[in-house]
Amino acid sequence: KNQVEQSPQSLIILEGKNCTLQCNYTVSPFSNLRWYKQDTGRGPVSLTIMTFSENTKSNGRYTATLDADTKQSSLHITASQLSDSASYICVTGGSYIPTFGRGTSLIVHP
Amino acid sequence: DVKVTQSSRYLVKRTGEKVFLECVQDMDHENMFWYRQDPGLGLRLIYFSYDVKMKEKGDIPEGYSVSREKKERFSLILESASTNQTSMYLCASSPPGAAEAQETQYFGPGTRLLVL
Repeated sequence: KNQVEQSPQSLIILEGKNCTLQCNYTVSPFSNLRWYKQDTGRGPVSLTIMTFSENTKSNGRYTATLDADTKQSSLHITASQLSDSASYICVTGGSYIPTFGRGTSLIVHP
Repeated sequence: DVKVTQSSRYLVKRTGEKVFLECVQDMDHENMFWYRQDPGLGLRLIYFSYDVKMKEKGDIPEGYSVSREKKERFSLILESASTNQTSMYLCASSPPGAAEAQETQYFGPGTRLLVL
């Protein structure tokens, strides 16, 4: 069964600090991995998308990495801001239907 | 920019009522999806459609039906609402190529449905 596991489930950090969110997947076939940001009460918005041949992708202060051999991905947030408080969802694709992780809830405190 | 709109942000219905959730996208996307999102469970696919009048069941279709009469519009129908259908409902669309899952899905703002 295709699965995407995210850790930690929730995270609290101080403004200005860096953090890293993890995503492990057991999905086959696999062709790409995406990270979404979902603000409270809103729909998810795409941050990055990486194919299996890419190791890293950046979007401003967000940097995603992918290790297709170990089936792991991470999302690193640099110099966090209050507006980074949100849920971050890892999603894998390869078949018609993407597989969603349950998300990591990030709270950035001033 | 892709825009996906949903007919209501908040909706309160009574058990047994028929409920219609509408989703419209303005980018001529072939693929449209309905998800529900519950705390601790993440997004779960209810139905999707890859063309007008075409529909496929997702992971949790029971209690739901869909309609896609026009390319830009995908409706989710709760035939007889029940309290366990209280949830956040998210619509998404994506351009061609989703069969290879290369394309990003674009989500609407969500409809928070409460069934009393």
